[in-house]
Amino acid sequence: DTGVSQDPRHKITKRGQNVTFRCDPISEHNRLYWYRQTLGQGPEFLTYFQNEAQLEKSRLLSDRFSAERPKGSFSTLEIQRTEQGDSAMYLCASSLSSGTTNTGELFFGEGSRLTVL
Amino acid sequence: AQSVTQLDSQVPVFEEAPVELRCNYSSSVSVYLFWYVQYPNQGLQLLLKYLSGSTLVKGINGFEAEFNKSQTSFHLRKPSVHISDTAEYFCAVKGRGSGFQKLVFGTGTRLLVSP
Repeated sequence: DTGVSQDPRHKITKRGQNVTFRCDPISEHNRLYWYRQTLGQGPEFLTYFQNEAQLEKSRLLSDRFSAERPKGSFSTLEIQRTEQGDSAMYLCASSLSSGTTNTGELFFGEGSRLTVL
Repeated sequence: AQSVTQLDSQVPVFEEAPVELRCNYSSSVSVYLFWYVQYPNQGLQLLLKYLSGSTLVKGINGFEAEFNKSQTSFHLRKPSVHISDTAEYFCAVKGRGSGFQKLVFGTGTRLLVSP
């Protein structure tokens, strides 16, 4: 399977615990995006990487959230001291951007659903 | 900045009937436009995209959309729907140029197809 994969698919945690999600993008894709989707809403941008560099972060990404892409391949999204408001689907997507060409087409993973009790 | 408005949160339709899901966008620059579909508990799958050229774009599963620059719209249509088309549909926009690096999504339209 050469698509975007995310792990775990489901995570239930207690408030105050830390959680980490992993995303493996399509191998030749240099860009990796994280989005958050709450019930009844569209995906909201959190952050994106070009190779290993984190180039943009949304204001939605509070200081409890941290994302990394250490070798420009897989990425992790960590949420510290989880709150009930963090309950959502966390979507990872990847794309190929070359030079000035970036049409924005994203390839999404299945998502990681977080439930904070 | 770009934004997307999907006017209908839910569209009920009978099987084999035609359907149109509406999408309007706002942008001060030229844009790329997309429709994605999301089945329950799954990620998003690209249905179709408008990058340039013909304003009528055909996608997978018999869907098509028409880019209307003057009305800033990108409505999605299908002439005859199936039960299996029941899903959430998202319109998305991205500005052209190096200053615009992310897709902005609408809030989605739930298509409910009944027999």
